[in-house]
Order: sequence, then structure tokens, then C-alpha cells
Amino acid sequence: SQQGEEDPQALSIQEGENATMNCSYKTSINNLQWYRQNSGRGLVHLILIRSNEREKHSGRLRVTLDTSKKSSSLLITASRAADTASYFCATDVDSSYKLIFGSGTRLLVRP
Amino acid sequence: DTAVSQTPKYLVTQMGNDKSIKCEQNLGHDTMYWYKQDSKKFLKIMFSYNNKELIINETVPNRFSPKSPDKAHLNLHINSLELGDSAVYFCASSQQWDRVRGYTFGSGTRLTVV
Repeated sequence: SQQGEEDPQALSIQEGENATMNCSYKTSINNLQWYRQNSGRGLVHLILIRSNEREKHSGRLRVTLDTSKKSSSLLITASRAADTASYFCATDVDSSYKLIFGSGTRLLVRP
Repeated sequence: DTAVSQTPKYLVTQMGNDKSIKCEQNLGHDTMYWYKQDSKKFLKIMFSYNNKELIINETVPNRFSPKSPDKAHLNLHINSLELGDSAVYFCASSQQWDRVRGYTFGSGTRLTVV
């Protein structure tokens, strides 16, 4: 069964605004990762947050993790048209040699 | 240099045919994966190989057979293709002791079965 559910499924914002995407998961994790997928392309790793971390930053990205609620959020600040893509959360469970992906959020940043 | 390369990028074939997709990584990673992405963008793991050994086989039909001749290559052979096999197949790799960097994905193979 799918580990992660993301919301919203789709998000449309104006360039310069912030975009927030949420991810919920079901089981205990080692870490949670966020990936970006541009249309017709492979996934690109953005950021990883470990289960003992609560917040992490990378450039315009901010990720939070709440293990008690089994949820994470990805914030993209000062969005750009080039941020238009699908964003996926993925959970690394018990060093099991597999990432389980969420359903993705399609982000459209309007110029 | 492309880190994870898959060939072909597009594959259109008739039902019942047998086809192969090849994947190569030049990152020196020890683990490789095949994922399937359906029309709703849902990504599901199919197989995982660590140092050429099959680690994960996620209830994939026997018609799908992965093969890893060495750590840098993981191929996927599909027998008797069905309409439902139409999807985008992604190869990925990672280094187990360096999970911070996440997975590196190839650009995908779009398989269309007609």
C-alpha cells in the first residue's frame, strides 16, 4: 500500500509567493526525502531530513518533520516559474533498500 | 556525463512482444532500483539490487526479470507484454552508506504497449 499521501494534489501560485506542500506517512521511518520531477524527466533529490531532526533548510527550501503526527512539509520560498514541477515525498523505512513515494503535488508557478 | 542513463527513452511495441530496458550508472553506487510510474504519476518500486544481489522483488509478475551483470548495470526484461505494462520505468541508484544524498534517477523509459 502507498506509504505517503500528499496534499494538495495540485497547487497554483504567482511567482514570488511561497508554496507549501504536505506529506503524511503511515509507519516509522529512518528519514524522509523530497524529490522534484519536471515534466517528462526523472526525479531529482532535493533534501533529506532524518527522523531525529525537526527542521532543515537548503537554499529556498525548508522542510519540517513531525514524527508524532507522521507528517512533513516542504516550503518553497519566493517561488520562480522554474519551480513548476511535481514534488514527491519519499520515506526510507528500516534501511530496507527502498524508498516509498507519496502521490505527489503538482506545482504551477505563474509568471 | 550522465550519472544514470537508460535506454531506450521511448519504446512502442505490440502486445505479446518481449522487450528489454537497459540502465547504467557511473556514480560507483552499490545499489540500483527499478521503479514504475503509472499514468497518475504514482511511483512504485519493482526491484532493488545491492552489489548485484536481488534484495527486493515487490510482487511483480514473473514476466518481469531484472538482471544485474555488475554493480553499474541493471537491466529489465519484460516477456509477453500486456497493455497494463504501459508506463514510465525509472532506473535509480544509491550508495547505502551515504543515504544523505538520496537516490539518483535516470530520465525514464516511456513504454507504450499497443
